[in-house]
Amino acid sequence: DAGVIQSPRHEVTEMGQEVTLRCKPISGHDYLFWYRQTMMRGLELLIYFNNNVPIDDSGMPEDRFSAKMPNASFSTLKIQPSEPRDSAVYFCASSPGTRETQYFGPGTRLLVL
Amino acid sequence: QKEVEQNSGPLSVPEGAIASLNCTYSDRGSQSFFWYRQYSGKSPELIMFIYSNGDKEDGRFTAQLNKASQYVSLLIRDSQPSDSATYLCAVKAGEGTALIFGKGTTLSVSS
Repeated sequence: DAGVIQSPRHEVTEMGQEVTLRCKPISGHDYLFWYRQTMMRGLELLIYFNNNVPIDDSGMPEDRFSAKMPNASFSTLKIQPSEPRDSAVYFCASSPGTRETQYFGPGTRLLVL
Repeated sequence: QKEVEQNSGPLSVPEGAIASLNCTYSDRGSQSFFWYRQYSGKSPELIMFIYSNGDKEDGRFTAQLNKASQYVSLLIRDSQPSDSATYLCAVKAGEGTALIFGKGTTLSVSS
């Protein structure tokens, strides 16, 4: 299996621009998670899906952030408009079940200037 | 607010020594406990998970869980320089819930 795939791996953009991060989970995994990691705050859960349905989005920082999962093999995290404080590494992870471990993708390093 | 606390470190140990990493959590309903290792610039990868009180061993790694004290630890025996990384403790409350991560402890193993 190819593991969790994320794109792009690096993104540099200017404040105010729209940013779209993409994730392909491991085939057969019913859960998909979006995390953000910074030095100050560590690894924070933003939102997670079960069978393509958002279950908990309480970690989404504000309305500028949105996430979708149109099918079992694809999810997007969108930031519009982006701000410098959004600079972080964004990880996508997937899991086959509720008690199973999560497998992380390589992450997207976002820099908002 | 459910919290997972770890000392940020760095924890420095010589090669061959035992490294002890500790984690406390606030939610008494927590049921599953995980240790992830994260090398600089890489994504977290699972080392071990533990569900029941006591010890669980896997090679050089031992996870210890004490639910009464809300405490989980990871012991690394015969530490190697390749073990130098940040170790993340993660806790899950139960079915259908997400992992809550600590901020991690940085381990440095000197040769």
